[in-house]
Amino acid sequence: AQTVTQSQPEMSVQEAETVTLSCTYDTSESDYYLFWYKQPPSRQMILVIRQEAYKQQNATENRFSVNFQKAAKSFSLKISDSQLGDAAMYFCAYRSAPPYGGSQGNLIFGKGTKLSVKP
Amino acid sequence: EAGVTQFPSHSVIEKGQTVTLRCDPISGHDNLYWYRRVMGKEIKFLLHFVKESKQDESGMPNNRFLAERTGGTYSTLKVQPAELEDSGVYFCASSQLGPSTDTQYFGPGTRLTVL
Repeated sequence: AQTVTQSQPEMSVQEAETVTLSCTYDTSESDYYLFWYKQPPSRQMILVIRQEAYKQQNATENRFSVNFQKAAKSFSLKISDSQLGDAAMYFCAYRSAPPYGGSQGNLIFGKGTKLSVKP
Repeated sequence: EAGVTQFPSHSVIEKGQTVTLRCDPISGHDNLYWYRRVMGKEIKFLLHFVKESKQDESGMPNNRFLAERTGGTYSTLKVQPAELEDSGVYFCASSQLGPSTDTQYFGPGTRLTVL
């Protein structure tokens, strides 16, 4: 079974600086998808960024980028120029890709990292 | 376009009572998922509907949980009778039926407290 581990329960960053959130995963599958979701306090969880495992190029979305190391099964999220609105719970998630069996549709989450941004 | 909505936002019930949670997915989304986060633990998958059919219910903890999606629109998740360990935040997510890279859009969750 696949697992996702986020080893940093809490992180803190100064406004305008850069922070990296760690995520590792375990799988025997060769094709899959990885996601970072963000849940601000009392608000809905939203997708920040996603990565297809077959793509070597790291995904980027504005100030958010990932460092995807497939061999190491590592998927870290880098937030540049941190803003107060980035304060949230960040979840790393894994999803199988066809033709693998099991629950292809569902996401497997880590425990989350709570990010605080200091003004 | 309206996002995924869930009702109620909070529910406090006593052990042994029944509670029904509702999820309204984004219009046109055939995939509907239920997840649960117990405090301090990972968000765990409960089940997956494709339209009105249960595609996968392997995450349902036991037979006290019953999910339905009549007509392939909104879904309900009933817990009967509720136990203390059922407390947590229940999330619903929906996505389009299509390429496997479809994004799951989450609702705000229902916080269930069983006393």
